[in-house]
Order: sequence, then structure tokens, then C-alpha cells
Amino acid sequence: SQQGEEDPQALSIQEGENATMNCSYKTSINNLQWYRQNSGRGLVHLILIRSNEREKHSGRLRVTLDTSKKSSSLLITASRAADTASYFCATRSRGSTLGRLYFGRGTQLTVWP
Amino acid sequence: EAQVTQNPRYLITVTGKKLTVTCSQNMNHEYMSWYRQDPGLGLRQIYYSMNVEVTDKGDVPEGYKVSRKEKRNFPLILESPSPNQTSLYFCASSLGDRENSPLHFGNGTRLTVT
Repeated sequence: SQQGEEDPQALSIQEGENATMNCSYKTSINNLQWYRQNSGRGLVHLILIRSNEREKHSGRLRVTLDTSKKSSSLLITASRAADTASYFCATRSRGSTLGRLYFGRGTQLTVWP
Repeated sequence: EAQVTQNPRYLITVTGKKLTVTCSQNMNHEYMSWYRQDPGLGLRQIYYSMNVEVTDKGDVPEGYKVSRKEKRNFPLILESPSPNQTSLYFCASSLGDRENSPLHFGNGTRLTVT
């Protein structure tokens, strides 16, 4: 499977701290996306990074991509209790049909007030 | 409001009783897809559709059918549900014409098959 794998499975931090989640994947990709899921709800797209990009920022989010290591990280700075959610990476493999998007198992982030 | 709407939100049924989960989007998206989410397994793609009358299998298509007769609708059909299809189902859509189009998800359908 070319499914992405997030690490850690669960992360628990205090408000104000930074949260870092990692994603590893197996095949060459066109892009990597991060999504957020509040408990039992639909996923919400956070940010996309293309294979020729190394770093991207959006508000308190910072995503890095290392294609040589086939890994990405999502950093949430100055976390808030409202950031509590599951975070998933999703990859679209180079050469695959546009329709195939593979999700990892997710990191459950808990931010304590 | 731009959205993907799934119905029903919750469904309890018995083995073998045919059911349909509806999905509709109002964003004129070409691409639509169904996923199931199970604890420890993440999201797995069931079927997807690149456009009207064009559907393809994902990773776990067995036991499911789909149709795409109109652009806005992409129903998921379970002809003979079994307990191993108990899961949380998500429909998603995107522009589809560009590889970098983000997915828009519905709020999910929690299905229990007894």
C-alpha cells in the first residue's frame, strides 16, 4: 500500500505549546495534503504542498516536505484547545490516476487548556 | 453555502437489506469519491468518479455499488449489507480537473449492520 503513515498516533500537549506531526509515505508523489477531522465529522482541507516545494506556511501551520526521505511534517504553533482533532496526511502518487488519493491513519492531537 | 450533503447521518439496518446512502454537492465539482473510516485503519477509498457516467474502484469496492447519472449526485449502494460494512462513511468532492484540487467532505454517515 502507498498509504501515508502519521506519527505519532496520539499527541497530548498544553495550550501554547507547538505540536508536530509527521507523515511518511512509500512512493513518489505529486503532492501531499494535510486534513483535519473534528470528532466524528468530515475532514477539512488544511494545506497542500507540491513535490517541488520544501516548506509552506498558512497562519499557524507550517508544512515541510522531504521527498528524499519520503516524509512530511505538520507543525501547529501556539496551539489552542480548539486545535484538538485528528490530523491526516493524504498523498497522490506520481503517475497514478487523479482519482486515487491515499490517507494515513491519522494523529489524534489533544490540546489541554 | 458550498457543501457536500450526505444522508442519512445515522443508519441501523439488518444483514441483507439493501440500502442507499445519498451524496450531493452544490459546487459543480467533477470529481466525487466515497471513503469508509474504521478505527486503526484510517480512510480507505471505496469508489470514485471523475465525471458523469465515469466511475472506478478504489481500494475496498467489494460489496458496494455506485452510480453517477448527474454531476451533483453520487449515491453509494449496498445491495446486501453485511456486519463487516459497519463503518463511518464519507463522501467527498473536488474540482477534479487539477491534481492539486482539495477534497470537500460531507459530515459522514454512521452505518451499523446487525
